[in-house]
Amino acid sequence: EMQLVESGGGLVQPGRSLRLSCAASGFTFDDYAMHWVRHAPGKGLEWVSLISWNSNSIMYADSVKGRFTISRDNAKNSLYLQMNSLRAEDTALYYCVKDMSRGGSGWPLDHWGQGTPVTVSS
Amino acid sequence: DIVMTQSPDSLAVSLGERATINCKSSQSVLYSSNNKNYLAWYQQKPGQPPKLLIFWASTRQSGVPDRFSGSGSGTDFTLTISGLQAEDVAVYYCQQFYSSPPMWTFGQGTKVEIK
Repeated sequence: EMQLVESGGGLVQPGRSLRLSCAASGFTFDDYAMHWVRHAPGKGLEWVSLISWNSNSIMYADSVKGRFTISRDNAKNSLYLQMNSLRAEDTALYYCVKDMSRGGSGWPLDHWGQGTPVTVSS
Repeated sequence: DIVMTQSPDSLAVSLGERATINCKSSQSVLYSSNNKNYLAWYQQKPGQPPKLLIFWASTRQSGVPDRFSGSGSGTDFTLTISGLQAEDVAVYYCQQFYSSPPMWTFGQGTKVEIK
């Protein structure tokens, strides 16, 4: 069974950092691009970042560019999101999401984790 | 950026009746080289992550009941639930995966309830 399990969320003060992790199982992790998508309270879904299967292609939403860094370790079947200079508006449930393609182009997102909550507040 | 706008924001439908959700993109998401619309629909039930229902505007994901169908092309799309079941109560999102550089944007969501 395909599983994505996020961890690392929590309460953090504005300006501080947090690192999210996602452990993947039940599929060949290094065959697929991966994403982070977030869902803020009372708002819609917002795509955050993409990393291709071999890490050669990385993309960010404008709202997090320069502050967040996505990475993956295929040997460990793991995806990461390093979040620096956190702001109140980064408060959300963060989902680890599998793409249906290697490069993240032309295919949708077919499997989502349960999410890990991030709260940025003083 | 491509903006996705769904209508209505919410709707209440009687069990067994049809539910129709519309999604409009601010520019075409039809990829001319393969004639595919880069448009997907997701279902999110309370307390659960989103689930992929439909992609390329009309291709049903494996395991999705055939009462769910997608249609449309270019900038205007529709998700239809034919014969609403109690387990279909959820928020439904459309999403485009067309724009270059890649930028996956979602509609604001449509809440479907039982009348």
